[in-house]
Amino acid sequence: DVKVTQSSRYLVKRTGEKVFLECVQDMDHENMFWYRQDPGLGLRLIYFSYDVKMKEKGDIPEGYSVSREKKERFSLILESASTNQTSMYLCASSRLAGLYQETQYFGPGTRLLVL
Amino acid sequence: DQQVKQNSPSLSVQEGRISILNCDYTNSMFDYFLWYKKYPAEGPTFLISISSIKDKNEDGRFTVFLNKSAKHLSLHIVPSQPGDSAVYFCAATLYDKIIFGKGTRLHILP
Repeated sequence: DVKVTQSSRYLVKRTGEKVFLECVQDMDHENMFWYRQDPGLGLRLIYFSYDVKMKEKGDIPEGYSVSREKKERFSLILESASTNQTSMYLCASSRLAGLYQETQYFGPGTRLLVL
Repeated sequence: DQQVKQNSPSLSVQEGRISILNCDYTNSMFDYFLWYKKYPAEGPTFLISISSIKDKNEDGRFTVFLNKSAKHLSLHIVPSQPGDSAVYFCAATLYDKIIFGKGTRLHILP
């Protein structure tokens, strides 16, 4: 049973703080993704990674960075949090073959509030 | 510019009847389409997918139809059950891009 866990379900931070969101998967998946979900906007891809130390920008990478030092862990970093980064953040993982044609397994999400 | 559109924000269907969720896309180069289902406070879960070389894919109560000429995708759920009440996202992919629609909230009425 695939499990994707995210370090926090809810997080409250102040503007300008550095924020780390952690994601861990236990299925030895090569691909990992970070999305944000906002009302009326659906899911939008921030960054993805297809291998350790590899990262690719998604549709909305501005204001974010990522780190993948180990295969099972993918971190999303907000260098200086801003109020427009208040959102639900979702991590996902999938096997390598076909970046999106393999089913993505999502974590439960982290709801981030930036004050 | 929305490349994947789910024009109905919500849909209510009687239990036991057919639910039809629609999705339109603008880029004819999309090569793979997926439907995800999301319950509140949970991450999305994969439901069903279809390659652009097919026009139909079926999995139990769920069938996805693809009309490439109309750039239209639909998900049929038959029969609808209370546990189907959720938000449904369609998504389209091309190379390293995946674009999700805004979602449709499905309510199954008793």
